[in-house]
Amino acid sequence: AQSVTQLDSHVSVSEGTPVLLRCNYSSSYSPSLFWYVQHPNKGLQLLLKYTSAATLVKGINGFEAEFKKSETSFHLTKPSAHMSDAAEYFCVVSDQRDMRFGAGTRLTVKP
Amino acid sequence: DAGVTQSPTHLIKTRGQHVTLRCSPISGHKSVSWYQQVLGQGPQFIFQYYEKEERGRGNFPDRFSARQFPNYSSELNVNALLLGDSALYLCASSLGSDTQYFGPGTRLTVL
Repeated sequence: AQSVTQLDSHVSVSEGTPVLLRCNYSSSYSPSLFWYVQHPNKGLQLLLKYTSAATLVKGINGFEAEFKKSETSFHLTKPSAHMSDAAEYFCVVSDQRDMRFGAGTRLTVKP
Repeated sequence: DAGVTQSPTHLIKTRGQHVTLRCSPISGHKSVSWYQQVLGQGPQFIFQYYEKEERGRGNFPDRFSARQFPNYSSELNVNALLLGDSALYLCASSLGSDTQYFGPGTRLTVL
């Protein structure tokens, strides 16, 4: 069985400061890991994907995530937050048959 | 290129009724998955279809059913609606690998 835990339900940062959204996962296989973003009343947009090619994954809009097998973590970071980054972020683990979503982290960006 | 499309965008039903939600995948994608997202939670996997065959099923009652057509579009059917079925229903398509692209969703309200 696989599962994912997002360690913070809500993160608040000031515009221009770094963003860290934390995710731990559990999987019996070598998983694929994803981060998706959901803006209010919108569908889910793929930010980035890890599939064992490289431990540091770069995504869209300046986001990146680092896969750490020893810590079973896949934290999402961005050096400098933008107001437009305010949204709900989901960490996802997949074994190609079943995608398991975390509960989500709401990112608030203060001016 | 058109992304994943879903219809209708909003739907209001009463308890006991049934509902059919529709999804058209990205052109060339042969796999369609359905998810239920209850307000304030992450999406939960309902079904995955690939080449018109059911490939995976989440932990949902038999009131939920789905099918995929020869053109790879899909329908999700829910019978005997309950208040707890009120949610955003998301459809995602993929080529067959595990990267899924999501539609905007159908907001179902059960009164």
